[in-house]
Amino acid sequence: RKEVEQDPGPFNVPEGATVAFNCTYSNSASQSFFWYRQDCRKEPKLLMSVYSSGNEDGRFTAQLNRASQYISLLIRDSKLSDSATYLCVVNDPRSGGYNKLIFGAGTRLAVHP
Amino acid sequence: NAGVTQTPKFQVLKTGQSMTLQCAQDMNHNSMYWYRQDPGMGLRLIYYSASEGTTDKGEVPNGYNVSRLNKREFSLRLESAAPSQTSVYFCASSEPGQGAGEQYFGPGTRLTVT
Repeated sequence: RKEVEQDPGPFNVPEGATVAFNCTYSNSASQSFFWYRQDCRKEPKLLMSVYSSGNEDGRFTAQLNRASQYISLLIRDSKLSDSATYLCVVNDPRSGGYNKLIFGAGTRLAVHP
Repeated sequence: NAGVTQTPKFQVLKTGQSMTLQCAQDMNHNSMYWYRQDPGMGLRLIYYSASEGTTDKGEVPNGYNVSRLNKREFSLRLESAAPSQTSVYFCASSEPGQGAGEQYFGPGTRLTVT
């Protein structure tokens, strides 16, 4: 079983749609959670951290369910520029701290006109 | 402020050849990382350096060595390249501790081993 699992997609949605991505992680001791964005043939970049209470950044909302070991990302009013791969990331608790991250394989989003 | 830089951007090697991938960061970060990214597998950690003078193995260290030359630079060496090492290699840096969640990546090196 992969430590961080994501639906690879692709999710093909029209502009203006709302789309949700889900992610599950296997180690209940993980304490830090993130969503990264990776454009085609580019490096990953941090999109947002995910807090226990849930958090929102403009059109993006992230939620965490520790009991189910489940993380979600909701994108409202999709733009063409949102087309990318979204990586679910958790810290590796075996590293004895927060230094190491475990990346999911990513969910690809394609927004069309 | 260039962030994280990597050289080269592209490389083709024959099986058995060696090479060193260079990485440098100008953000004064203590921690640096080397990852490889393969289709369908996500980023996998090869080696990391929590601070200058220390290096530790990640998930897939076999066939690689690293050197933390100073606080800015962290190199990755392939001593005898194999086709299984064909991949995209990313270097990253961060602050240690809880700041490690925000890692800054270089643009990557696309390596093909024939």
